[in-house]
Amino acid sequence: KAGVTQTPRYLIKTRGQQVTLSCSPISGHRSVSWYQQTPGQGLQFLFEYFSETQRNKGNFPGRFSGRQFSNSRSEMNVSTLELGDSALYLCASRGPANTGELFFGEGSRLTVL
Amino acid sequence: ILNVEQSPQSLHVQEGDSTNFTCSFPSSNFYALHWYRWETAKSPEALFVMTLNGDEKKKGRISATLNTKEGYSYLYIKGSQPEDSATYLCALRQTGANNLFFGTGTRLTVIP
Repeated sequence: KAGVTQTPRYLIKTRGQQVTLSCSPISGHRSVSWYQQTPGQGLQFLFEYFSETQRNKGNFPGRFSGRQFSNSRSEMNVSTLELGDSALYLCASRGPANTGELFFGEGSRLTVL
Repeated sequence: ILNVEQSPQSLHVQEGDSTNFTCSFPSSNFYALHWYRWETAKSPEALFVMTLNGDEKKKGRISATLNTKEGYSYLYIKGSQPEDSATYLCALRQTGANNLFFGTGTRLTVIP
């Protein structure tokens, strides 16, 4: 069974640009969450999608947005990039089991110059 | 913003030593406590999901306990091996929420 796949793995952008990151969950998983990790911080929750609907949102500015497609693939977009947006962005999918265990991708590392 | 704290931040142990780390969290609205293991250049992998006060779970040489009344969980590694070197994350899920609140992790280095 293929794991969670994130693309691209690495990217470099400049301030003011926008970026789109993609996440393909494990087959059969309908919930996709996004987390941001910056140095010295724990993983910070961005948002969660389930069946194409945003179910939950973290405390991030409106520049951070996302969506989910009918095949459960998800994208997140960050507009008007700032230096502080440099981070590792992790996507995780959750299956139907009640444990709530998350299955993570390897992340997309964004550097903003 | 919830305060999930992990200690120590990092530690080095000799191969064969046993070790343990702590995760503390607010006990109100508790739903579940997760432990993840994150090796460098890989993705975090779930170790345990615990929901009941007094829960003890074990996977090989790694075990965890949970005290929801006082808001802490311990992760134990018996007879550490170099392959145990990783960052260990705990995360809290509260009642009515689907997202997790993560601690900043404990980075373990096992010296051969």
